[in-house]
Amino acid sequence: KNEVEQSPQNLTAQEGEFITINCSYSVGISALHWLQQHPGGGIVSLFMLSSGKKKHGRLIATINIQEKHSSLHITASHPRDSAVYICAHQGAQKLVFGQGTRLTINP
Amino acid sequence: DTGVSQNPRHKITKRGQNVTFRCDPISEHNRLYWYRQTLGQGPEFLTYFQNEAQLEKSRLLSDRFSAERPKGSFSTLEIQRTEQGDSAMYLCASSSHRGLAGGPRETQYFGPGTRLLVL
Repeated sequence: KNEVEQSPQNLTAQEGEFITINCSYSVGISALHWLQQHPGGGIVSLFMLSSGKKKHGRLIATINIQEKHSSLHITASHPRDSAVYICAHQGAQKLVFGQGTRLTINP
Repeated sequence: DTGVSQNPRHKITKRGQNVTFRCDPISEHNRLYWYRQTLGQGPEFLTYFQNEAQLEKSRLLSDRFSAERPKGSFSTLEIQRTEQGDSAMYLCASSSHRGLAGGPRETQYFGPGTRLLVL
């Protein structure tokens, strides 16, 4: 079993829909990261959180430390949000990644 | 553009050849990480440096792999006697670590990656 599990693996939605991507992890962590990867490979860090909730524009990330669970929400989704979203936990130094969720938003 | 650059962006080589990749981190960042990503999977940790010291290596990093960061700035990752299973995207990331034990974790900034294809 991977240390980080994401669901769903693939998600297709219509423009404007509310999107939720889930991440569960099995070990104690010091930080949980959400990252975005576009075709071509570039990875951009969206959030780093260790408790509670963070919001940036239409993106919201939450974490429940007791349940070892985090969610990434996208409000008013747009085709430009189409990408792979990856969660990763950070224990000591390195990141341990989930397998990613491929999100496709259709116009 | 995150400020982290990698060269080359693409590399095609024949099995058995040696390849070397370079990563230039954000200049003031003291930590540099190498990750590998195969198709459809999330990245996997390979190794990381703090300044010029290589502090951790994954068991994924076989004897054919070597990484250096000689002056604590750019880093190179060399793969000797490449195998088809080495085909992957090799990602570099850098961060600024403030040296506080148990302190807040820092954001890692990723380069665009080097895509390796071994024929």
